[in-house]
Parts: sequence; structure tokens; C-alpha cells
Amino acid sequence: GAVVSQHPSRVICKSGTSVKIECRSLDFQATTMFWYRQFPKQSLMLMATSNEGSKATYEQGVEKDKFLINHASLTLSTLTVTSAHPEDSSFYICSAKWSYNEQFFGPGTRLTVL
Amino acid sequence: DAKTTQPNSMESNEEEPVHLPCNHSTISGTDYIHWYRQLPSQGPEYVIHGLTSNVNNRMASLAIAEDRKSSTLILHRATLRDAAVYYCILRDVVKNSGGSNYKLTFGKGTLLTVNP
Repeated sequence: GAVVSQHPSRVICKSGTSVKIECRSLDFQATTMFWYRQFPKQSLMLMATSNEGSKATYEQGVEKDKFLINHASLTLSTLTVTSAHPEDSSFYICSAKWSYNEQFFGPGTRLTVL
Repeated sequence: DAKTTQPNSMESNEEEPVHLPCNHSTISGTDYIHWYRQLPSQGPEYVIHGLTSNVNNRMASLAIAEDRKSSTLILHRATLRDAAVYYCILRDVVKNSGGSNYKLTFGKGTLLTVNP
């Protein structure tokens, strides 16, 4: 299957700082990328959907000013958690797809906010 | 969104077949049935998907009931590496600024334990 990478794999930051997570499709051009969040022992929750060159569509309850998503190219999307707080600590997972094909998921980024 | 119901957990022995059930009684005619699995601290991995007919690939088989209200993921010979949370998901089409798209809504899934 297609390969999706995320960087960093884990990050620890202080409360009030911003953190950027990168998601790359390595061997295909992703027309759409998705960002999910997963708290311990819970399922994945979709945060937003982004199409290359368009503004992201956020799910209900997800603050667009806090979770900034940029999908500037067909192989890269970034999620920036602004002014992070301990409650933002979670496992952030991206996925990517092209056209109407399957979503391929990245390995996830573990964010810990102190 | 059309929803699925799966058992919270199942247990299997290594090298034996595993049948993971999924109920989706409110499925619509255009919903595809997808299965993903997630190992601890990893992103989900695509397993298989289907619409009406049974499907086979190198990882698993998908048996879909004639009325499409249920399906079963079949692992023919479980290995220890198959221990994971298995998610049965109905692919939901949405329209946004980028045109028609689909999103995956994850439920709680089934935690499969494989005993050596």
C-alpha cells in the first residue's frame, strides 16, 4: 500500500507553546488529507478534512483557530496546535488519499503538553 | 451517519481462523464496508473493503450478508501479529468545497487477542 509519514513521532512541549506536525504522502499525490485525534483507550476522532489548495473543513466542535491546517502541496499537510495546553495531549494521526481511493494512515504523533 | 456494531473483544488461538462480526442494519445502498486495524501506538492499517460481493485479498476475506446488514471479516490463520483493534466502518460520502469526498467514522472496534 501507499506510504504516509508523520514528523515528529513524538513531541513534548510546554503549555502555551505551538507545535507543528507534518504529514507527507511519500509515493503518491494526496488530493485529500485528514487529521484525527485519539485519546487513550478511545477511538479515532476526525478533526478536519483538507483538499490541496483549499481551506480545511473542520468537524463540529474542533476549533479552527486552535488547530491550524495547511495543505499547500499534494504531498504535504501540516497541523499546528496553537497555544497548546495539557488537555491537547493526544495521539494525532493523519491519513491521505488520492481521488476516490482508500485512505492510508500515518504512524501517528504523540503530543504531550506539560 | 450509518453506524456499525461490533463486539468489544474477541479471543483466538494462533493458526486458527478468526471471524470478526459487524452489524450495520442502517446501511444505505451506496455505503461501502471498510475494515481497518490498529496496532498499539500505530496508525490504522487498511485491511479490506467491499460493497455487495464477498472479497478476498492477501490479508483477509470479507463476507457480506445478502441484505448487507451485516458482514464478517475472516482471518484465515491468525498470527500473533494480527492482535489489534479491528474497525468496521461504513464509508460516508460528504460534499465540501473540494467536491464530493468521503470520510471514515471510527467506532470502538473489536480488540482481538491472539493466544500462542
